Amino acid sequence: EAGVAQSPRYKIIEKRQSVAFWCNPISGHATLYWYQQILGQGPKLLIQFQNNGVVDDSQLPKDRFSAERLKGVDSTLKIQPAKLEDSAVYLCASSLSFGQGNFGGYTFGSGTRLTVV
Amino acid sequence: KNEVEQSPQNLTAQEGEFITINCSYSVGISALHWLQQHPGGGIVSLFMLSSGKKKHGRLIATINIQEKHSSLHITASHPRDSAVYICAARSPNTDKLIFGTGTRLQVFP
Repeated sequence: EAGVAQSPRYKIIEKRQSVAFWCNPISGHATLYWYQQILGQGPKLLIQFQNNGVVDDSQLPKDRFSAERLKGVDSTLKIQPAKLEDSAVYLCASSLSFGQGNFGGYTFGSGTRLTVV
Repeated sequence: KNEVEQSPQNLTAQEGEFITINCSYSVGISALHWLQQHPGGGIVSLFMLSSGKKKHGRLIATINIQEKHSSLHITASHPRDSAVYICAARSPNTDKLIFGTGTRLQVFP
């Protein structure tokens, strides 16, 4: 099966600019996650979608970050305006619908490496 | 204190050595994941455990639910095993993963 697709792979922007990342999950995966991984740290959940609804966005800096999954399939994460501390790898992952005792199908994309200068 | 703690943070080994990476967690879980991340690469899932032990090739993962502890073992280590190994606790309510900070492993020939 095709994996989780992310684009772009790399992005360099100046602070205060805006940037958008795209993710296409595995077909049939209802749950989609965006994680932020700062260098030297483990990934941290930014937002979780179940179909096109938000399950958890408690760690999303909502003054500058936004995400949507309008049709319950692919998703976009946006940062506007970017700060230096947003430099990180942004990982998208997907899984089968949560909360149903299903332990399978947790798959990560290759990530987008963002550098803010 | 982090909800998921790993040790050691860094590990170097000679080819052929037996390697152990430890993970302790303080949250409730539905499963514990072990993941591998190469420099510049994405994350690959190695194991997902809810009890006992799993083996895949030279990799073995164990979990003790009562002690909230898991270990990843690599037998007969090889330079291609060099990577960051991350354990992550899977939330029983939302399936989100809570990650440890990772263990950077370097295996020298």
